[in-house]
Parts: sequence; structure tokens; C-alpha cells
Amino acid sequence: DGGITQSPKYLFRKEGQNVTLSCEQNLNHDAMYWYRQDPGQGLRLIYYSQIVNDFQKGDIAEGYSVSREKKESFPLTVTSAQKNPTAFYLCASSGRQGARIYQPQHFGDGTRLSIL
Amino acid sequence: KQEVTQIPAALSVPEGENLVLNCSFTDSAIYNLQWFRQDPGKGLTSLLLIQSSQREQTSGRLNASLDKSSGRSTLYIAASQPGDSATYLCAVPQTSGSRLTFGEGTQLTVNP
Repeated sequence: DGGITQSPKYLFRKEGQNVTLSCEQNLNHDAMYWYRQDPGQGLRLIYYSQIVNDFQKGDIAEGYSVSREKKESFPLTVTSAQKNPTAFYLCASSGRQGARIYQPQHFGDGTRLSIL
Repeated sequence: KQEVTQIPAALSVPEGENLVLNCSFTDSAIYNLQWFRQDPGKGLTSLLLIQSSQREQTSGRLNASLDKSSGRSTLYIAASQPGDSATYLCAVPQTSGSRLTFGEGTQLTVNP
């Protein structure tokens, strides 16, 4: 079954610690995205990548970093510079037709990050 | 900058009722509008995508309408069931292409 796998499902961060959230897809999609969801708010885009070895900042990139070394993987690191990291993090992917990247329609089941 | 708003934030109805969820957007120059469903602690599932040239899109008991000129979309759910309980989000792509702007969502509870 094709899909997006996020791990872990729950993650706890200590003060001053960096943590990495995993996102893997087997849909052969070119584009991948990271969103943050806070209670009562819509999803906000952190970073996105349309091709391997390239990525762009979204609306709330400060305190986060990403890499895209493989097409199927797009890990997100929440650094100690992110002072309010408690949230639900969602990874998404989308395919391409020619030069056009489709908008995300496939989402993982999320990682819930909390501060210890 | 595009802003997407959903009203109401929460809705509780008895089973069998027909209901309407609302979504409004500030910039009417959209390519399409998408409705998603989110179950508690889960990711998003795409329900319906209405192209800018369409007025309606239907899938089973769900019907989504789009009025670009007024900046509004509605999601109509017929004969609601407890299994419809979830948060429903609408989203529009930014003019630059694949990036989506999401509304805050409507949390629906259908009581047996």
C-alpha cells in the first residue's frame, strides 16, 4: 500500500535539545511538505521541497531545519531555537505532471511533539 | 495575502440531520478549493477538490459548492452519521502553485 509514514507518533523534547521527525513516502512523489498544527488553528507550512537536494522555507520556518537527500525522505529537525515546539506535525506529499507540481493531497498520520 | 476562514468552529447535530459547513476566502483568484477530513490524532484525508471553473462537486453524501465571486464555499453533508464526526478543513492553493492556505477547521460531532 502506497502512503506516507511518519515516526515517531509521540515525541518529547528536553530543554535545549534538537529532535528529528521522520517522514517517508513510497508514492514516488517529487514534492514533500511539513506543516504544523496548533489547537484551533489551521495547518501552517514550515518547509517544502519540490526536488531532491532542494527545499524552500514556508511561513514559519524559524527554529526548524530540513534535508532532502533522497526522494522518499524529508526529515524535519526541531532545533532548540524553536521556543514553542509543542504541536502536531504533519508531513504531506504531491506528484508532478511536467513542470507542474500538484498541491498536497496525501498526508501522514502526524507526530505529536511535547516539551518535557 | 490569502486568508481562509471557517464558520462555525464547532458543530454538534443529531444523527440524520443535513448540515452545511462554511468556508470563506479573501482572494477570489483561486485555482481550486479543497475540502479535507481529519480524524482525532490523524492526518488529513482529501474529500473533494473543486476546480475554479466548477460550481459543485459531489461524492456520495457530500456536496461541495464554490462561489468565487463571493469568496465562499460550502460543504453539504446529507443524512449525517456518527461516523461523520471529525474536523473538516478547507484549503486553497496560493497563486504560486502547490502551497495551500488552510482554514482553522470545523469540528463536527454527530450524536447517535
